[in-house]
Amino acid sequence: KQEVTQIPAALSVPEGENLVLNCSFTDSAIYNLQWFRQDPGKGLTSLLLIQSSQREQTSGRLNASLDKSSGRSTLYIAASQPGDSATYLCAVLIYNQGGKLIFGQGTELSVKP
Amino acid sequence: DTGVSQDPRHKITKRGQNVTFRCDPISEHNRLYWYRQTLGQGPEFLTYFQNEAQLEKSRLLSDRFSAERPKGSFSTLEIQRTEQGDSAMYLCASSPQDRVEYFGPGTRLTVT
Repeated sequence: KQEVTQIPAALSVPEGENLVLNCSFTDSAIYNLQWFRQDPGKGLTSLLLIQSSQREQTSGRLNASLDKSSGRSTLYIAASQPGDSATYLCAVLIYNQGGKLIFGQGTELSVKP
Repeated sequence: DTGVSQDPRHKITKRGQNVTFRCDPISEHNRLYWYRQTLGQGPEFLTYFQNEAQLEKSRLLSDRFSAERPKGSFSTLEIQRTEQGDSAMYLCASSPQDRVEYFGPGTRLTVT
């Protein structure tokens, strides 16, 4: 059974710091991995999607990497801003399981001005 | 079409009452998913449809829960005889076949 774990559960940093969020999964037979952002009481916004054949994806100040063999992904946020404060979720899509996503429990990020 | 919509956004109900939520997916997305998210946790898969066919249901979906997608467009999720443990955010997502899922804003259910 695929399990997704995110560390740390919560993170507080001063504005301007670079930071890394971690995601690990137990079964390397994934189709892709996504990072989402969720603001309090809101739905999910997709940030980056990495296909299983890819090693990383970049969007602006965000960079996500994927190492399937070790079952790990990282989300790197450069020059953090207070507006980055949110919960960040990673999710894996399993082959031949209808497209359902398996989520980690999220990392709650707080960026202090 | 601006995205996945869900109605209502918030629902407060008393234990034992029935509730129904609606999800309108992005047009022409043939897959529709329901997830449940409790406080401090990631979303958990409940069920999904391909067009009007319900293809998979999680063991989380007890017999008090039923989902439909009668014409392959919008979907409803009904919870009968609600319990306090049903309090959660119910998220809907849609996607074209085997592509990225787009999530709606969710319905926050509080059972008192």
